[in-house]
Order: sequence, then C-alpha cells, then structure tokens
Amino acid sequence: DAKTTQPNSMESNEEEPVHLPCNHSTISGTDYIHWYRQLPSQGPEYVIHGLTSNVNNRMASLAIAEDRKSSTLILHRATLRDAAVYYCILRGAGGTSYGKLTFGQGTILTVHP
Amino acid sequence: DAGVIQSPRHEVTEMGQEVTLRCKPISGHDYLFWYRQTMMRGLELLIYFNNNVPIDDSGMPEDRFSAKMPNASFSTLKIQPSEPRDSAVYFCASSPSGRVGDEQFFGPGTRLTVL
Repeated sequence: DAKTTQPNSMESNEEEPVHLPCNHSTISGTDYIHWYRQLPSQGPEYVIHGLTSNVNNRMASLAIAEDRKSSTLILHRATLRDAAVYYCILRGAGGTSYGKLTFGQGTILTVHP
Repeated sequence: DAGVIQSPRHEVTEMGQEVTLRCKPISGHDYLFWYRQTMMRGLELLIYFNNNVPIDDSGMPEDRFSAKMPNASFSTLKIQPSEPRDSAVYFCASSPSGRVGDEQFFGPGTRLTVL
C-alpha cells in the first residue's frame, strides 16, 4: 500500500482555521485520499475523501495538490471538540486493498481555548 | 440506527483464559471489519468479512485469534488462550459495501486487559 506522511502533532486556537498536511508521493492513479479522525476514547470516524478535485462537506474541506502527491485537510473554524488524532489514508479502488483502510500514526491536533 | 454495537466495553481477564468479543454491525451493511489498537502498533486491521464470509485475515496475529460471522447481524472475535500482549482496544466497524467511497462506521471499542 502507498504510504502517507503526516506531522506527529499540531496545535491551533479555537475558532481559527487549521490546515493538516499529508504527503503521499507514491500515490497511484486509482488511490483515493481518505481522512478519518479519532476523538479521545472513541472509535475513528470518517471525515472526508477525494480523488483529484477539492471536496467540501459539513465537517471539513479537502484540498488536493494538482500532482496528487500531497493533500491538506482544512477545518475552517476549530472548536475544542475537534481535538483528535487525524489520519490521512490512501485507499485503493481495487485489488488486494479493496475495502481496506490502513491507518498510519496520524496527527494529534490540540485546540487551545 | 444505534450504530455499531460492541460488547463488552471493558474486559479484564487472566492470562490463559478465553476471551470473546462481540459486534453487531449496522443493519444492511455488507462489510464488517475487526481492528486492534495499541500504543506501539497503532490501529491495525485484523480481518474483514463480506456478506458473512471472511475475505482477508492476513492481519490476524496468530492461531490464538479467530473470528466468525454466523449471520449478517453478529460477529465474534475470540482469543484462546489470551496473553498479556493481547491487551489492546479492539474495534469493530461496518460499511455498506467495500467501494472506495464508502465510509466505515466504527463501534466504541472493547478495551481488553489481560493480566
């Protein structure tokens, strides 16, 4: 599976935007970029995913570089409830990785009041 | 829908005992996944099922681990005999299909402690 690289930790202030980067230089043409987050003492939850175009949903935005070798998860206004570990995951559309999520170490986001 | 349900939420057992973790996926979901999370290894996929059939068990650590899905609404992960290194949080997840755009819905996890 193609790997992703994320910073171990980031900090933000409440109500400020947060940009969480992810590098995936070995991404293949059929890999989708997924983001999940895990709040303390909870299971992971889906945030957003995309292939080539930027994506927006109620939780966040995903900005994908033109060469797809990197992406950025954007939380427009961080709240204390956004403090979590954020995972950037490449998910293949077929083959042996079909249906599977391979989690890395993620980025620990701390939000200060 | 109540989401993915796991039981028990916490389990403390002694080395050598059999442990059974249970999962009820979201109704209508065709895929079920078992993950294990530890500080050292992070979140690892153990096994997943499609329509009650095991598809990939390459993540199952050893023969002491077994998983079954007798029907669409129930799955078990069994450890026999348990060892202290099995202490971890075990998550069950389900998804409507295995399509790349489908999200996986995770349960609250079972925290297992083996003494």
